[in-house]
Amino acid sequence: SQQGEEDPQALSIQEGENATMNCSYKTSINNLQWYRQNSGRGLVHLILIRSNEREKHSGRLRVTLDTSKKSSSLLITASRAADTASYFCATDTEKLVFGKGMKLTVNP
Amino acid sequence: GAVVSQHPSWVICKSGTSVKIECRSLDFQATTMFWYRQFPKQSLMLMATSNEGSKATYEQGVEKDKFLINHASLTLSTLTVTSAHPEDSSFYICSARDFQGRSYGYTFGSGTRLTVV
Repeated sequence: SQQGEEDPQALSIQEGENATMNCSYKTSINNLQWYRQNSGRGLVHLILIRSNEREKHSGRLRVTLDTSKKSSSLLITASRAADTASYFCATDTEKLVFGKGMKLTVNP
Repeated sequence: GAVVSQHPSWVICKSGTSVKIECRSLDFQATTMFWYRQFPKQSLMLMATSNEGSKATYEQGVEKDKFLINHASLTLSTLTVTSAHPEDSSFYICSARDFQGRSYGYTFGSGTRLTVV
């Protein structure tokens, strides 16, 4: 089963630009998490935002959560070529259900 | 931090044979583990929830007789793909859940790439 839907599905930007990814979901959640994955490899946990939080920062990452709209966004500032990867949101409802993911390409 | 070891990292098998994938939590006990599969350029699809000492809970559309899950101890869950066929070729990832202070945390294995020929 999949719940989160990322928007856009693919994004190509230049180094230094900001990248924003949006995620929508359908049910009530305990928290929402963002992960990255390089070329079909393992997942890297980026950030978790709880259902009672509205915004969270971690380094160049900024996550927002709007539970009334059932949506979240991930902003990566000052992107680098090394940020090239697929990004997924995942909703935690006693199990993690992943969205479709978004492929980010950062061109040097 | 929590570490989950998944083995093997890749496997090639012949059609009709069975393949077992192991998922171990190395430094914590995990009463609940999860199994996902991922096709190329797609997202992770939750297959089943593995509970220590009880039967796994499968997601809708996942054949329980095809994908056998055993969670015999607090640190080990196995996924056996039975009578594998080329359409079972995929990337399989496990995850172990443990309580981390204020909420549950999920630690992922590095995945197993299965190719059925």
